[in-house]
Amino acid sequence: DAGVIQSPRHEVTEMGQEVTLRCKPISGHNSLFWYRQTMMRGLELLIYFNNNVPIDDSGMPEDRFSAKMPNASFSTLKIQPSEPRDSAVYFCASSLSLAGAYEQYFGPGTRLTVT
Amino acid sequence: SQQGEEDPQALSIQEGENATMNCSYKTSINNLQWYRQNSGRGLVHLILIRSNEREKHSGRLRVTLDTSKKSSSLLITASRAADTASYFCATTRRGIYNQGGKLIFGQGTELSVKP
Repeated sequence: DAGVIQSPRHEVTEMGQEVTLRCKPISGHNSLFWYRQTMMRGLELLIYFNNNVPIDDSGMPEDRFSAKMPNASFSTLKIQPSEPRDSAVYFCASSLSLAGAYEQYFGPGTRLTVT
Repeated sequence: SQQGEEDPQALSIQEGENATMNCSYKTSINNLQWYRQNSGRGLVHLILIRSNEREKHSGRLRVTLDTSKKSSSLLITASRAADTASYFCATTRRGIYNQGGKLIFGQGTELSVKP
């Protein structure tokens, strides 16, 4: 199994530009999570999906952030327009979750730098 | 607010020694999980302990859970330099139907094992 796949691994962009991060979860997993990690704030849950439906987006910082999951094998996190304070490592994770929590499998992350 | 809080924030030991990390949480939980993160990588699931369990072992790892004190500990025996990483506890809350298996992560303990 290839594990959770994220692209790109690194992204450097200028303030104001649109950024799209991509994630392919593990096949068969029905939950997908987007996290952001910084030194200051630690690991923050931004949004998560169950069976392709957004369940909780309370962690999405602003309207500049949006996430979609058009099918079971693909999700995107978009930032438009980007700002320097969005610089962080963004992780995608997936799990097989029924009525409870199971272990989450994390991707390698996308390191975003906004200048 | 953070559900899990790890203690200590940083721990430095010599190879061969045991490492103990603690986690406290605030609300009733379904289960508690420990994850490890090597520098620049995604988190990796280590072990899951359910709320009706008190102790669990996996190789050199031993996890305890005290629901009356709302705390857990992770013990790594005979530590190796390769154990150097950050360790996070994560919980799921009881009483709320959790469609997606949402986890709340603590801030982590940074473990350094010196050869």
